[in-house]
Amino acid sequence: GQQVMQIPQYQHVQEGEDFTTYCNSSTTLSNIQWYKQRPGGHPVFLIQLVKSGEVKKQKRLTFQFGEAKKNSSLHITATQTTDVGTYFCAPFMDSNYQLIWGAGTKLIIKP
Amino acid sequence: EAGVTQFPSHSVIEKGQTVTLRCDPISGHDNLYWYRRVMGKEIKFLLHFVKESKQDESGMPNNRFLAERTGGTYSTLKVQPAELEDSGVYFCASSQGRAVLYNSPLHFGNGTRLTVT
Repeated sequence: GQQVMQIPQYQHVQEGEDFTTYCNSSTTLSNIQWYKQRPGGHPVFLIQLVKSGEVKKQKRLTFQFGEAKKNSSLHITATQTTDVGTYFCAPFMDSNYQLIWGAGTKLIIKP
Repeated sequence: EAGVTQFPSHSVIEKGQTVTLRCDPISGHDNLYWYRRVMGKEIKFLLHFVKESKQDESGMPNNRFLAERTGGTYSTLKVQPAELEDSGVYFCASSQGRAVLYNSPLHFGNGTRLTVT
């Protein structure tokens, strides 16, 4: 079945460093959503990407959808403690019109 | 507006017992979803209601899981009898339109952490 791989599983950064998580699929995706889950919290919607090559920005967050619509990335510039959490990509599954979820990338700020 | 609420927040039960989880979606949201996340792994889809009808229950692991949404308002997810592998966090989410098709994001509840011992 359609699956998505999200890497890395964890990323430790110093505050102020950049962070990137990647989402890869073997099949072409219709669209993809990104969510953030704070420790102890629940996933919160960040953005949806639809178009090939689309780039969207939210302050220090930059979301990209690959030209072939098989991969996506989230880049955070100059991380802050408020960015801590797990970031999930959730592409759309054509077969049953449901989202499938990556395993998430946990952003950890080094003390 | 009030968000998605789930009850209980935590449940610890013994193998073989029954547990019922409840989800109250955001008022007016016809679409209601149940998901499960086992520690450190991906969020797995369980099922999707549109109003009171089960639109898709392809993610339900087996017949020990029963979900209902009487009247198209709140939903319950019953696990009977519970097994050790059922442990995890069960999330409920709702959306106004069909998620993704209408650029309608999911609004999640805080989840129920289920521990089966």
